[in-house]
Amino acid sequence: DIQMTQSPSSLSASVGDRVTITCRASQSISNYLNWYQHKPGKAPKLLIYKASNLQSGVPSRFAGSGSGTDFTLTISSLQPEDFATYYCQQNYNTLALTFGGGTKVDIK
Amino acid sequence: QVQLVESGGGVVQPGRSLRLSCAASGFTFSTYAMHWVRQAPGKGLEWVAVISYDATYKYYAGSLKGRFTISRDNSKNTLYLQMNSLRAEDTAIYYCAKDSGSLGTQEMHFWGQGILVTVSS
Repeated sequence: DIQMTQSPSSLSASVGDRVTITCRASQSISNYLNWYQHKPGKAPKLLIYKASNLQSGVPSRFAGSGSGTDFTLTISSLQPEDFATYYCQQNYNTLALTFGGGTKVDIK
Repeated sequence: QVQLVESGGGVVQPGRSLRLSCAASGFTFSTYAMHWVRQAPGKGLEWVAVISYDATYKYYAGSLKGRFTISRDNSKNTLYLQMNSLRAEDTAIYYCAKDSGSLGTQEMHFWGQGILVTVSS
């Protein structure tokens, strides 16, 4: 299976901060990389698909980049509603989908 | 609007079986692939299984070792997960998720709220 490694596993930030989360795949996955936001007790939400495509309805402060093995999710100006856990997920190997371990973003 | 509502969770003893359901509405269920994803307490998301729009293709996480079966009834707009020989490590919130395509190769672009399964004696 393709291993997805996220860093950091957690971070503390303030409203208005620029936040960057990285995701590394154990092999090249082209651009088959998605990002999800998950809040406790809520349904996970798709933010970015195919590495850099913003899902409909998602604010433009979220951006994804990368290809091959290295990917980044950037929140340009952190808002109070953005405090959550973020997961990357590869769908290059569609027989065995895998998620990263998650990055928890909390309030500094 | 799209709705996915999971049901069938609860407390079950190790070794027993449980069937989860996911009732879909607000979209043409029969044209989309569907997934099950779980989250154990204090852990991250783990993909469990996917089924294509017509149930022709079904794939599972290798860690399940054949204990789980995904199925769907397009006439009832419902997705299922049959879980057998349950273990303590299967304790998790189980989410159903809608794929953006028909074969299960795209992103999971809508998720249910999840249902808790607790495996304990």
